[in-house]
Amino acid sequence: ETGVTQSPTHLIKTRGQQVTLRCSSQSGHNTVSWYQQALGQGPQFIFQYYREEENGRGNFPPRFSGLQFPNYSSELNVNALELDDSALYLCASSLGSGQVYEQYFGPGTRLTVT
Amino acid sequence: TQLLEQSPQFLSIQEGENLTVYCNSSSVFSSLQWYRQEPGEGPVLLVTVVTGGEVKKLKRLTFQFGDARKDSSLHITAAQPGDTGLYLCAGPNNAGNMLTFGGGTRLMVKP
Repeated sequence: ETGVTQSPTHLIKTRGQQVTLRCSSQSGHNTVSWYQQALGQGPQFIFQYYREEENGRGNFPPRFSGLQFPNYSSELNVNALELDDSALYLCASSLGSGQVYEQYFGPGTRLTVT
Repeated sequence: TQLLEQSPQFLSIQEGENLTVYCNSSSVFSSLQWYRQEPGEGPVLLVTVVTGGEVKKLKRLTFQFGDARKDSSLHITAAQPGDTGLYLCAGPNNAGNMLTFGGGTRLMVKP
C-alpha cells in the first residue's frame, strides 16, 4: 500500500510568482486536505477536496486554490506569492464522505519565498 | 472559531522521566486526535479519543479526554529519546470536514 506522497520536496520562489504543489493520496483514499504549517506552529487548514470539489475552506485568501483529479490526487496553487507564504505545506488523505477522521499525512513541501 | 491551546510549548527532559502535555479549549469537540511529528515529516496519528472521560493507552503513552470534551492530556511514562518530536492535538469542526490543530508541544528527551 502506497502512502501519501508530495512533490516537490523543497521549492524556492520569488515574491509575486505562482507555485503548484502536488499530492498523491494513499491508495483508495478519496478525500484530500491541505494544510499550511509555519515554522514553530501547528498546521492550519487551507481546504479539503472530496469527489473533485472543494468541501470546506479555512481562513485563506482566494489566491490559494486547488484541484482534485479523478484518481484522487490533488494540486495546491498559490498565486502572487508573499513572504508570509513561506511554510511547510502538508497534504493529508482519508477515506470517507469528506470527513477528516483517520487522516494520513504526506511528508510535506517546504516552500521558501524570497 | 474553535481554538486549541497546548502547553507547555517546549519540554526538555532526561530519559526515564515522566511528563504530561495538555490540550485545552473553551469549545466542545466531538473527538480529539493526537499526532506526533518528526523533523522533515508529516504528522502521524497516534490516537483518537471520542467519549468524554475516555482513557486510551498506547504502550507508554496514556491519552485522556476530558469529561466535558473540551480538553485532553497525553502522559508519557519513562520517556525515551525516541519520543522526541512535536506533539500536536487536533479536533474536527461540527461538519467534520476541517481539523483545527493546536500549536504543539515540542518534546526533547535527552539520553
